[in-house]
Amino acid sequence: AVQLVESGGGLVQPKESLKISCAASGFTFSNAAMYWVRQAPGKGLEWVARIRTKPNNYATYYADSVKGRFTISRDDSKSMVYLQMDNLKTEDTAMYYCTRRDFDYWGQGVMVTVSS
Amino acid sequence: DIVMTQSPTSMSISVGDRVTMNCKASQNVGSNVDWYQQKTGQSPKLLIYKASNRYTGVPDRFTGSGSGTDFTFTISNMQAEDLAVYYCMQSNSYPPTFGGGTKLELK
Repeated sequence: AVQLVESGGGLVQPKESLKISCAASGFTFSNAAMYWVRQAPGKGLEWVARIRTKPNNYATYYADSVKGRFTISRDDSKSMVYLQMDNLKTEDTAMYYCTRRDFDYWGQGVMVTVSS
Repeated sequence: DIVMTQSPTSMSISVGDRVTMNCKASQNVGSNVDWYQQKTGQSPKLLIYKASNRYTGVPDRFTGSGSGTDFTFTISNMQAEDLAVYYCMQSNSYPPTFGGGTKLELK
């Protein structure tokens, strides 16, 4: 069965950094584009980042709200996708979900809280 | 970015009701609209893809329709377990964008 399991969330102060991870299983990870989507408390869904596959040069894309601060990466040998978040702002506080191409499977999410 | 406007934002419904909600795109997105269900404390779950295709295992009381800029999602016979927030999402052009959600509550 397809599984996506996020980890690494927590409480950080503004301007600090945090790296969250997503462990994938149950499908051919190297063939799948991967995404991060977030949801601020009580709010709707916001796409954050995308990383394509090796044949597509691992091209990355970002929402304007995080461009220049967040970096998505992947390790196909470990079936892992990461989100490095730098210069965090209070408005980045959200549940972060990992999801794969077609958005058909989602992880349970990991909470990131940015507060002083 | 394409704006997806969902309506209504909330609905008070009874078990057995027929529930219809809408999603309007700010520009033509073809049939590239998906519908998701999110129950409290859970991650979103894909119900309908490409406007009208029911995802694997999704009960047939859930249907989607539309193309271009106007899309409709219907629950034909509301069940208690269907209480949730429903989101539309367009994937026709980057970035993918979501509607604001329609929350279903018991009357």
